[in-house]
Amino acid sequence: GAVVSQHPSWVICKSGTSVKIECRSLDFQATTMFWYRQFPKQSLMLMATSNEGSKATYEQGVEKDKFLINHASLTLSTLTVTSAHPEDSSFYICSARTGAGEKLFFGSGTQLSVL
Amino acid sequence: QKEVEQNSGPLSVPEGAIASLNCTYSDRVSQSFFWYRQYSGKSPELIMSIYSNGDKEDGRFTAQLNKASQYVSLLIRDSQPSDSATYLCAVTPDTGFQKLVFGTGTRLLVSP
Repeated sequence: GAVVSQHPSWVICKSGTSVKIECRSLDFQATTMFWYRQFPKQSLMLMATSNEGSKATYEQGVEKDKFLINHASLTLSTLTVTSAHPEDSSFYICSARTGAGEKLFFGSGTQLSVL
Repeated sequence: QKEVEQNSGPLSVPEGAIASLNCTYSDRVSQSFFWYRQYSGKSPELIMSIYSNGDKEDGRFTAQLNKASQYVSLLIRDSQPSDSATYLCAVTPDTGFQKLVFGTGTRLLVSP
């Protein structure tokens, strides 16, 4: 199946700093990538849809100025959590669709802990 | 009202038994349905997809869809301890296939 690489796997940062998470499609071109957040024992919540070469579409309630998404190429999307706070601590997962259909393949996720 | 609902479990079954996982969804125009398996601290892994009413079998897994009842299920035959995980039901809420809406997941425990 398609491979989506996500880095870093985990990150610990101080409150007020910014953290960048990368998501790469390794063996296919992904015109659309999705960013999810998952709190412990809860389901994945879609944060935003990232389209190559255009602005991301954010879900209701997600602050676009806090969660900056850049999809500069067909294989790379980045999520930057700006001025992170402890409540931003969560598991962030990216996913991408293959060109063939709507099946999603997920990255390995990033566990963010903000102290 | 949640768009996709699942019993959080845990659902406990003995090794070799059939595990039955259920999911209901609220949006009648939903077009595609997926089951993902997620181990603790890992990202979801696609197990099955189903698009039309009826059953779809793949190895030990069978997905069942009933659009009239807005119900989708996953059966796991000959359950193994390695099947112990959280199973997420996901639905595309519209015809554009733009995004998936996930249920909260059902935790399955298969005891040896």
